Amino acid sequence: QKEVEQNSGPLSVPEGAIASLNCTYSDRVSQSFFWYRQYSGKSPELIMSIYSNGDKEDGRFTAQLNKASQYVSLLIRDSQPSDSATYLCAVIIGSGGSNYKLTFGKGTLLTVNP
Amino acid sequence: NAGVMQNPRHLVRRRGQEARLRCSPMKGHSHVYWYRQLPEEGLKFMVYLQKENIIDESGMPKERFSAEFPKEGPSILRIQQVVRGDSAAYFCASSPIRDTEAFFGQGTRLTVV
Repeated sequence: QKEVEQNSGPLSVPEGAIASLNCTYSDRVSQSFFWYRQYSGKSPELIMSIYSNGDKEDGRFTAQLNKASQYVSLLIRDSQPSDSATYLCAVIIGSGGSNYKLTFGKGTLLTVNP
Repeated sequence: NAGVMQNPRHLVRRRGQEARLRCSPMKGHSHVYWYRQLPEEGLKFMVYLQKENIIDESGMPKERFSAEFPKEGPSILRIQQVVRGDSAAYFCASSPIRDTEAFFGQGTRLTVV
């Protein structure tokens, strides 16, 4: 099982719709989870962090975490064409152990159509 | 407050030369990660460092690659005797403490000719 897996996409949604991005992780003791956005040719940009079970909202973005299911998701409401990018799920793997790394999924390419 | 600074932004090296990539973390950050990204691929973890310590280097190739983060100055990723397969974007990210958010620099695009 890969350490961090994302639905492969690409995902295409119309402008104004809700985009739903999903991620699962393998390390049961992970405590820190992040979503990054990466535009083509640019560096990753942090958009959300979540550490506790439940929902966390920031503007049009909502991150959801379920540690029992080892699942984290990102919802983007009222999607805009400017949201078109690759979304990367990241998890700190091995927290508290000797191996410790911020590990990324392969990303999901989102296209928002005007 | 300046962000994570990487230099150079673009680096061209001939096969067999050394490439030295620099990363200055955000002010107050003492943790640095290095990643490699090939076109259309994900971010591959290379190494995680704190000041003067390598915490996890499980993603570093065994040969030719090394990293350091001295007490003073930037973190350095060194690639000796570069080969064409080393051509990629190399990103660093910094964070203030463990288990918290990491912020990326703009990356160094290495091209080996």
